[in-house]
Amino acid sequence: QVQLVQSGAEVKKPGASVRVSCKASGYTFTDYYLHWVRQAPGQGLEWMGWIYPRSGNANAAQIFRGRVTMTRDISINTAYLELTSLTSDDTAVYFCARDSSGFFFGPFDSWGQGTPVSVSS
Amino acid sequence: SSELTQDPAVSVALGQTVKITCQGDTLRSYDATWFQQKPGQAPVLVIYGKNKRPSGIPDRFSVSSSRNTASLTITGAQAADEADYFCNSRDSTGNLQVFGGGTKLTVL
Repeated sequence: QVQLVQSGAEVKKPGASVRVSCKASGYTFTDYYLHWVRQAPGQGLEWMGWIYPRSGNANAAQIFRGRVTMTRDISINTAYLELTSLTSDDTAVYFCARDSSGFFFGPFDSWGQGTPVSVSS
Repeated sequence: SSELTQDPAVSVALGQTVKITCQGDTLRSYDATWFQQKPGQAPVLVIYGKNKRPSGIPDRFSVSSSRNTASLTITGAQAADEADYFCNSRDSTGNLQVFGGGTKLTVL
């Protein structure tokens, strides 16, 4: 079955960077786009961007451009999200999600368990 | 601000029918997808496209749309349906994604 397993919780200081990983199994990693979504405490879901593992092409929401990098290592079926210049507003749970369409159109049919990231001085 | 707007909270009596709405101009062009999220858990895909439900999602969940509004209807709400519901679609460019702010459903 499709499974996305994310890396563990992170605690960072303001100004630092964080990298979250998402390891895929149960399907051909390079066939499906992966999206990154975050959720601040008590808030809604915020879409961050997508990556196409086959090519490495990625696209991010305007609000994150310049601060987010999405990469992948196809040898280990793992995608990465790196977010720089962290502030307390980046405190959130970060999710990866598989796009079942074969494109970036959605829907997101499988989700990782989430990685809590806390930013505090 | 989100391109998709949802009511923050809705309540329904056990066994009754409830409709959760999502408004946005992009819905004139793209179908909405709906996710259910319970506290401390990842979102779960509930329904997408023209009433397509993943395996395991009961058929009491259905969707409809009109102009710029998509609606998720739960017919015969159960206690297990109490959760946050988020709509999602492509944005106005068609290249990116956007979520609604979410609706907290309480089953009384």
